[in-house]
Amino acid sequence: EVQLVESGGGLVQSGGSLRLSCAASGFTFSAYSINWVRQAPGKGLEWVSYITSRSSTIYYADSVEGRFTISRDNTKNSVYLQMNSLRAEDTAVYYCARVRGSSLSFYYMDVWGRGTTVTVSS
Amino acid sequence: QSVLTQPPSVSAAPGQEVTISCSGSSSNIGNNYVSWYQQLPGTAPKLLIYENNNRPSGIPDRLSGSKSGTSATLGITGLQTGDEADYYCGTWDSSLSAYVFGTGTKVTVL
Repeated sequence: EVQLVESGGGLVQSGGSLRLSCAASGFTFSAYSINWVRQAPGKGLEWVSYITSRSSTIYYADSVEGRFTISRDNTKNSVYLQMNSLRAEDTAVYYCARVRGSSLSFYYMDVWGRGTTVTVSS
Repeated sequence: QSVLTQPPSVSAAPGQEVTISCSGSSSNIGNNYVSWYQQLPGTAPKLLIYENNNRPSGIPDRLSGSKSGTSATLGITGLQTGDEADYYCGTWDSSLSAYVFGTGTKVTVL
């Protein structure tokens, strides 16, 4: 079964750090790009960051640029999101998702994890 | 603040049809492909439509997608109670170098 499982969420104080993990199974992980998407309580979806299969290309949303770092370890079938200088507005459910499309123009997400919750207290 | 605009809500009776619009610009919808996602309450989003009008396996042909210029539309026919959910459009924005989601639309079955 193709699956993504997030972990690492929790309660952290404003200014603190957390590292989220996304573990993949059921597909050739090293062949796919992965991204993170978050959803604040009662709000819509917000794209956070993207990493290509070999980590050659990375993008971030302006809201997290300079504070969050995405990385991956293809030997462990995992993607990570290091979140520093956390703010109350970073409180959300964080989803990782597999990205498809032959180029960015065709970008879509076909497999999603169940999410991990990050709460930043002020 | 999303760059893709959707109506906050749409509703119809069981068996009827609803359409959800997604309005953008030349830097996103106008020059890139649109996908649509369904989010049932308390669950992760699910891909419904990719590359404007393609359905993944397992998605019924009651759902359809289209694109014209800088707008896209999701159509759902034969509405069922199980279709009650939030729906989001999404696409790459070439100016922002970011993926952007629509504001989301809540579908209610009357």
